[in-house]
Amino acid sequence: EVQLVESGGGLVQPGGSLRLSCAASGITLTNYAVIWVRQAPGKGLEWVSAISGSGDHTYYADSVNGRFTISRDNPKDTVHLQMNSLRAEDSAIYYCARRQSSAWYPTNWGQGTLVTVSS
Amino acid sequence: EIVLTQSPATLSLSPGERATLSCRASQSISSYLGWYQQKPGQAPRLLIYDASNRATGIPARFSGSGSGTDFTLTISSLEPEDFAVYYCQQRNKWPLTFGGGTKVEIK
Repeated sequence: EVQLVESGGGLVQPGGSLRLSCAASGITLTNYAVIWVRQAPGKGLEWVSAISGSGDHTYYADSVNGRFTISRDNPKDTVHLQMNSLRAEDSAIYYCARRQSSAWYPTNWGQGTLVTVSS
Repeated sequence: EIVLTQSPATLSLSPGERATLSCRASQSISSYLGWYQQKPGQAPRLLIYDASNRATGIPARFSGSGSGTDFTLTISSLEPEDFAVYYCQQRNKWPLTFGGGTKVEIK
């Protein structure tokens, strides 16, 4: 069974940083593109960032561009989302998922990690 | 960016009834639309990709249709486990965008 697991969430002050990680079991994550999606409490889904399987191509929502960086650690078969200059509006559950086949649909979502930005 | 508008916001139906959910795109997205189901406290799950293809393990009562700007997710006969929030998502252009969701609730 394919499972993705996020880690690294927590409480951080505005302007602070966090690094989220996404690991997988049942698949080799290196073979897949990975997508991050977030969901503020009681709200809908918002795409955040994505990275190709090779790591050569990265994509960001305008709301996080310049503050967040997505990367791959292939020896550890992990994807990271480095989040800097955090704002209150970044507070959300962050989900990672793998890309479905060759199309940019997130599938095999993890259970998410909660990020709270507050003083 | 491409805006996806879902309607209705809430659909109140009884088990066994047919559910019809709509997603409209602000510009043509060909058939590059997916549908997701999210239950309370759970991560979303991909149901349909490229407008009409069921994802692995998705029951046949879920079907998708449409192209261009207008899309529909149909649940032919609601099971108790189908009461949830449903989102559409386009992959035609970056940024990927989601609709605001339709909640299917028990009447």
